[in-house]
Amino acid sequence: GAVVSQHPSWVICKSGTSVKIECRSLDFQATTMFWYRQFPKQSLMLMATSNEGSKATYEQGVEKDKFLINHASLTLSTLTVTSAHPEDSSFYICSGGTTPPDGELFFGEGSRLTVL
Amino acid sequence: QKEVEQNSGPLSVPEGAIASLNCTYSDRGSQSFFWYRQYSGKSPELIMFIYSNGDKEDGRFTAQLNKASQYVSLLIRDSQPSDSATYLCAVTAHYQLIWGAGTKLIIKP
Repeated sequence: GAVVSQHPSWVICKSGTSVKIECRSLDFQATTMFWYRQFPKQSLMLMATSNEGSKATYEQGVEKDKFLINHASLTLSTLTVTSAHPEDSSFYICSGGTTPPDGELFFGEGSRLTVL
Repeated sequence: QKEVEQNSGPLSVPEGAIASLNCTYSDRGSQSFFWYRQYSGKSPELIMFIYSNGDKEDGRFTAQLNKASQYVSLLIRDSQPSDSATYLCAVTAHYQLIWGAGTKLIIKP
């Protein structure tokens, strides 16, 4: 199947700093990227949907000024957690696919963020 | 509100037996149905997808869809310890992908 590369896999940062997570589709053009957050023993929670060249669509309750999403090209989307706090510690996962998601979603490996 | 329901488990199955995982959904307009497997600390990976009523088989896995009753199930034959994971059901409807909370499956050697 198609490959989505997510980087970094692990990141530890101090409270108040910003962290950028990259998501690249290596062998297909992801017109749409989905960003999820997953807390321990819970299901995936969709944070936002980003389409190449346009602003991301955020789910209710997700602060767009805190979680900055950029989808500048068909192969790269980034999530920046600004002014991170300990409660932002979570597993962040990106996926690339079609809109609507009528086929397989290709997931990145995930990024585990720990904010001290 | 669109919902996808799964029993959180854990579901414990002896090695070699059939594991049966169930998922119900609320939106009758749902069109596509997916089963993902997620190991602890890892991203989900697609196991099966099904669009039409009936059964779809792929190796040891069989997905079953019943749109009238609004449920989709996943059967795993000859369960192996490596099948121990959380299985997530996902349903698309009206341009949205809705995830269930997942069922934790434990295969006992």
